Amino acid sequence: KAGVTQTPRYLIKTRGQQVTLSCSPISGHRSVSWYQQTPGQGLQFLFEYFSETQRNKGNFPGRFSGRQFSNSRSEMNVSTLELGDSALYLCASSLDGTPQETQYFGPGTRLLVL
Amino acid sequence: GESVGLHLPTLSVQEGDNSIINCAYSNSASDYFIWYKQESGKGPQFIIDIRSNMDKRQGQRVTVLLNKTVKHLSLQIAATQPGDSAVYFCAESIQAGTALIFGKGTTLSVSS
Repeated sequence: KAGVTQTPRYLIKTRGQQVTLSCSPISGHRSVSWYQQTPGQGLQFLFEYFSETQRNKGNFPGRFSGRQFSNSRSEMNVSTLELGDSALYLCASSLDGTPQETQYFGPGTRLLVL
Repeated sequence: GESVGLHLPTLSVQEGDNSIINCAYSNSASDYFIWYKQESGKGPQFIIDIRSNMDKRQGQRVTVLLNKTVKHLSLQIAATQPGDSAVYFCAESIQAGTALIFGKGTTLSVSS
């Protein structure tokens, strides 16, 4: 089975721009979660989608949003980019997104905001 | 093997030694714990997990120990190899949600 894939792998943007990142979960997985990884804050939960609905949300501003499509693929969007948004954005998928279910991560999209 | 009682950001061991990486988790309501390994340029890779109704679980060359009394988790790697060099994260999950709360990570360096 193919793993979680994320595109693009690398991205450079300037302050004020917006960006859209894409995640394709493992085939058959219906839950997709997004995390932000920075050297200072570590790995932080952004949000989780299941059946095209956001079920959980972390403590991030409204500039961070996402959606999920009927084929379980997910996108996250960051508007009005700030320098502090530079990070590795990781997507993880699991079968049904139930508690105590293993989440499998993709390679991440590295975003640099100049 | 080398063992640390508190979380340290780095751990250096010799090839063949046993490694012990420690993690203190934050929430007494957490009931599922996972260890991930992250190599440079890659996403976290699942190693082993444990549920709160257990205190020990073994995998291939790895053992996870859970002490709920002091909210402590450890990962033991037997016969550490250079390929084990990576950053190791513990993560916890609370029953009601699916968000994983990650620890700070320990960089394991294995020299041959």
